[in-house]
Amino acid sequence: QSALTQPASVSGSPGQSITISCTGTSSDVGGYNSVSWYQQHPGEAPKLIIFDVTNRPSGVSNRFSGSKSGNTASLTISGLQAEDEADYYCSSYTDNSTPLFGGGTQLTVL
Amino acid sequence: EVQLVESGGGLVQPGGSLRLSCAASGFIFSDYEFNWVRQAPGKGLEWVSYISNSANTIYYADSVKGRFTISRDNAKNSLYLQMDSLTAEDTAIYYCARERTSSLYSFDSWGQGTLVTVSP
Repeated sequence: QSALTQPASVSGSPGQSITISCTGTSSDVGGYNSVSWYQQHPGEAPKLIIFDVTNRPSGVSNRFSGSKSGNTASLTISGLQAEDEADYYCSSYTDNSTPLFGGGTQLTVL
Repeated sequence: EVQLVESGGGLVQPGGSLRLSCAASGFIFSDYEFNWVRQAPGKGLEWVSYISNSANTIYYADSVKGRFTISRDNAKNSLYLQMDSLTAEDTAIYYCARERTSSLYSFDSWGQGTLVTVSP
């Protein structure tokens, strides 16, 4: 299985909003409401920021939001802050009863 | 406080074996499903294996099937990954990851990772 498709990099200025896409197929993203998003700072373990497409775990800023349309899920970060600079990964449940990660997106805050 | 602490990583020759451990604390270990996720140097995340609460259900990524074995000991609050026939492509940081209840493959807690390096 190939990784879900994410842009390699995105950038934005403080205060702006950015959106990261995650494209799969009807066998994963499009077929299930089981998309998660993770934030990973250099040298650290990933952190869950969105689960089940739209839900935020307790303690995660409401500046992070998730959505899905067809085979593409999206993560939007509003009011961009310097601390948001990190790598972001999506993942989805698949027809194989296993998860599939995206290739990752590097977010740069200008 | 939820804690997951991996150990057992290190340098191993191609064809060799390693056994990773993940010690859990701060929650009822047997209530949760667990996974191993790895990350090659400078690369993205790759799911490796899943084990259900009672170990009745286990899955592996195709890349490790037949070489890796996941297991758990609920009495010891521990998760394991036995890795055999290692190749250079297995070089990565290995994370144990707890699955959020009632959510398919959403990993709400991660260990700090343990580095496995496969090299002559």
